[in-house]
Amino acid sequence: NAGVTQTPKFQVLKTGQSMTLQCAQDMNHEYMSWYRQDPGMGLRLIHYSVGAGITDQGEVPNGYNVSRSTTEDFPLRLLSAAPSQTSVYFCASSRTGGTTEAFFGQGTRLTVV
Amino acid sequence: DQQVKQNSPSLSVQEGRISILNCDYTNSMFDYFLWYKKYPAEGPTFLISISSIKDKNEDGRFTVFLNKSAKHLSLHIVPSQPGDSAVYFCAASLVGTASKLTFGTGTRLQVML
Repeated sequence: NAGVTQTPKFQVLKTGQSMTLQCAQDMNHEYMSWYRQDPGMGLRLIHYSVGAGITDQGEVPNGYNVSRSTTEDFPLRLLSAAPSQTSVYFCASSRTGGTTEAFFGQGTRLTVV
Repeated sequence: DQQVKQNSPSLSVQEGRISILNCDYTNSMFDYFLWYKKYPAEGPTFLISISSIKDKNEDGRFTVFLNKSAKHLSLHIVPSQPGDSAVYFCAASLVGTASKLTFGTGTRLQVML
């Protein structure tokens, strides 16, 4: 089984361009999340979803949009890329319920020039 | 406002000895804590977790200790092996909200031969 799959693995954008980072999971998990990792700052939550049709903002949502039309997919959209969005992006999924862990994809390294 | 702190950016340990990684948190509402291991160019992988109703959880060479009064947890790796060399992240959440993890900044562990 693939787990959490992110595409692309690398991307270079020009300032002002838009793009969508894809995330798919095959574990039938209800919860999905997007994080960004910047040097010295750990992972920070951008947006999350507790089920199809339900999304909410995390700690650093500005400049990003999400939607969740299926259980499997949770794309992250950059509307107008800025150099401050240069980062490594991780998608995660987890089961519902009490004490469960999140499973992470391999990440997308995004550079905005 | 860093709610989860890992004050040691790096740690070097001899192979076969104990590695102790520390984590402090400020939000007393957190009741579920996780440790993730991350290799370069890969996503974080779940290592071990502990609920706030416990003070210790073991899984093979890995043990996590929780001191709720001090808002402190630690990860012990015994014996340390070269393959344990990675960045370790401490994360915290509320039970039932695995989609919303708050991460520390990470500790880079190097296990020397």
